[in-house]
Amino acid sequence: GQNIDQPTEMTATEGAIVQINCTYQTSGFNGLFWYQQHAGEAPTFLSYNVLDGLEEKGRFSSFLSRSKGYSYLLLKELQMKDSASYLCAVRDQIYGQNFVFGPGTRLSVLP
Amino acid sequence: EADIYQTPRYLVIGTGKKITLECSQTMGHDKMYWYQQDPGMELHLIHYSYGVNSTEKGDLSSESTVSRIRTEHFPLTLESARPSHTSQYLCASSEPSTGSEKLFFGSGTQLSVL
Repeated sequence: GQNIDQPTEMTATEGAIVQINCTYQTSGFNGLFWYQQHAGEAPTFLSYNVLDGLEEKGRFSSFLSRSKGYSYLLLKELQMKDSASYLCAVRDQIYGQNFVFGPGTRLSVLP
Repeated sequence: EADIYQTPRYLVIGTGKKITLECSQTMGHDKMYWYQQDPGMELHLIHYSYGVNSTEKGDLSSESTVSRIRTEHFPLTLESARPSHTSQYLCASSEPSTGSEKLFFGSGTQLSVL
């Protein structure tokens, strides 16, 4: 089966750096995705990793280690608008190339 | 900006009613999905479609049905709503699998069954 774990909540200060971890267990890994979801809104795509290593996109970076079943999302220069839930999702070949989502990490950015 | 639309945005209905949640996308995506999400919880896949005339059940038995007569339209129907169906329903579509098959989500329908 599939299992994805993330911390439930995190708090950080404006201007700081925060790392949100995600661990997963899947049968047919075929990519890991991070989505941002503001309260009451739909998720929006942030990043994608399929090979090991770091992908950087502006203030956001995402890292993947397939051997460890581990990823993290790194947010730099935090802004108040970054307060949201961050969803880790894995695409699984065994699961019809569909996505399995983690419970999400609710990040609060304080002034 | 994603072009995927859901209606209604909010819906409050009584037990036993039949309802249809609408979802349309103008991006020409073949693959579409319906997810259910309770507050603070993960998204659960309830239905998906690879294209016209294709429908598949996801991992959550939601007692709902879907249809895919046209590429752009993927409505979800509850024949007899129950309070346990109270949840947020998110429709999504994705580009062909050429690597980053990211999901584009609609704004969601918040359903409350009394």
